[in-house]
Amino acid sequence: GESVGLHLPTLSVQEGDNSIINCAYSNSASDYFIWYKQESGKGPQFIIDIRSNMDKRQGQRVTVLLNKTVKHLSLQIAATQPGDSAVYFCAEASAGGTSYGKLTFGQGTILTVHP
Amino acid sequence: GAVVSQHPSWVICKSGTSVKIECRSLDFQATTMFWYRQFPKQSLMLMATSNEGSKATYEQGVEKDKFLINHASLTLSTLTVTSAHPEDSSFYICSAQAVKNIQYFGAGTRLSVL
Repeated sequence: GESVGLHLPTLSVQEGDNSIINCAYSNSASDYFIWYKQESGKGPQFIIDIRSNMDKRQGQRVTVLLNKTVKHLSLQIAATQPGDSAVYFCAEASAGGTSYGKLTFGQGTILTVHP
Repeated sequence: GAVVSQHPSWVICKSGTSVKIECRSLDFQATTMFWYRQFPKQSLMLMATSNEGSKATYEQGVEKDKFLINHASLTLSTLTVTSAHPEDSSFYICSAQAVKNIQYFGAGTRLSVL
């Protein structure tokens, strides 16, 4: 259904700190998860993904953790920079057929990084 | 990463007119394209899923006669907002997906209906 998110969760950090953004997903059948970054007036940009057979995956300055028991996903950003300021969305999907099918997006978290 | 081009980025139109938005995958063939709508400070809401050469699948509550989707090739999908009204003003975003691959998003189109 439509997300009622007039007041997105916010996270404010100082430049250089580590950031942790959390997401609770809804469908226990989901087996593919993605984090996207969306800057103002732009489309979402892929950051990192993880499949349900993993509980951790690392990229450049980012780490995604998946806890299937409690249906929780987190994105850790190391040494956060002002350019990381954006809205971060988690998304879940189920693999089926030849594609991962449609994504269901979470509410989003506004990350603000202060110099 | 893969590049998805969306055009126009911003359009203003009069109430009652139709607006066409294009979504192109520039460096890969997209078996599936998706159209989303996003209101300010809210998440993305899926409108429809489009596979090349077949009819789009619309989400519940989305009027297929109002939001016409054409997916004529593996690199192009279009969304036409027919007889647009002020309540259709929103940010429309497309994404393209290759087989067993992530969705890459366009930059979005801001539609303002006067």
